[in-house]
Amino acid sequence: GQQVQQSPASLVLQEGENAELQCNFSTSLNSMQWFYQRPGGSLVSLFYNPSGTKHSGRLTSTTVIKERRSSLHISSSQTTDSGTYLCASTNAYKVIFGKGTHLHVLP
Amino acid sequence: AQTIHQWPVAEIKAVGSPLSLGCTIKGKSSPNLYWYWQATGGTLQQLFYSITVGQVESVVQLNLSASRPKDDQFILSTEKLLLSHSGFYLCAWSRRLGGSSAETLYFGSGTRLTVL
Repeated sequence: GQQVQQSPASLVLQEGENAELQCNFSTSLNSMQWFYQRPGGSLVSLFYNPSGTKHSGRLTSTTVIKERRSSLHISSSQTTDSGTYLCASTNAYKVIFGKGTHLHVLP
Repeated sequence: AQTIHQWPVAEIKAVGSPLSLGCTIKGKSSPNLYWYWQATGGTLQQLFYSITVGQVESVVQLNLSASRPKDDQFILSTEKLLLSHSGFYLCAWSRRLGGSSAETLYFGSGTRLTVL
């Protein structure tokens, strides 16, 4: 079945460093989304990115459908960026999530 | 603006007891609706989706059922809870697009369920 692989599983940064999170998916899909999961569990949508590059503040998402991958770049990380980042691939109405990247930014 | 409300915020239930979780979307007509479940430390799994009132599709079988009695309401339930049902339940909506596809998911705040 459809699978989504995220890497790295965890990442520790010093504040100010950049981060690159990767997401690879196994089958063709309609879109790719990135979410931030708060410690309490709720999700915040970061990007809906079926293809190409999108920017939002210090965040950049790039999806290359032909290569079945998407990335999330965080520049100049801050301690408030700490948490879990999830990518999800959508095929019709079925949405498959990766296991997430746990990011910890140290002051 | 659209809002999504889940209830209850948390539940502690006994094994074998019934369960009903609810989700309401306001400010959006004919949304696609979804239920997700996440075990502690686990991956988010899609349980059900619905693209119209009265129609629900199952994605993962977890001895749960879902219903969409109204356009803006999605209910998750079971008659007998299992220990394995513990976890975090999230409801989500997306806009309906042409053809068979969906768009950005917007999530509720979730319900934390503990089965003892």
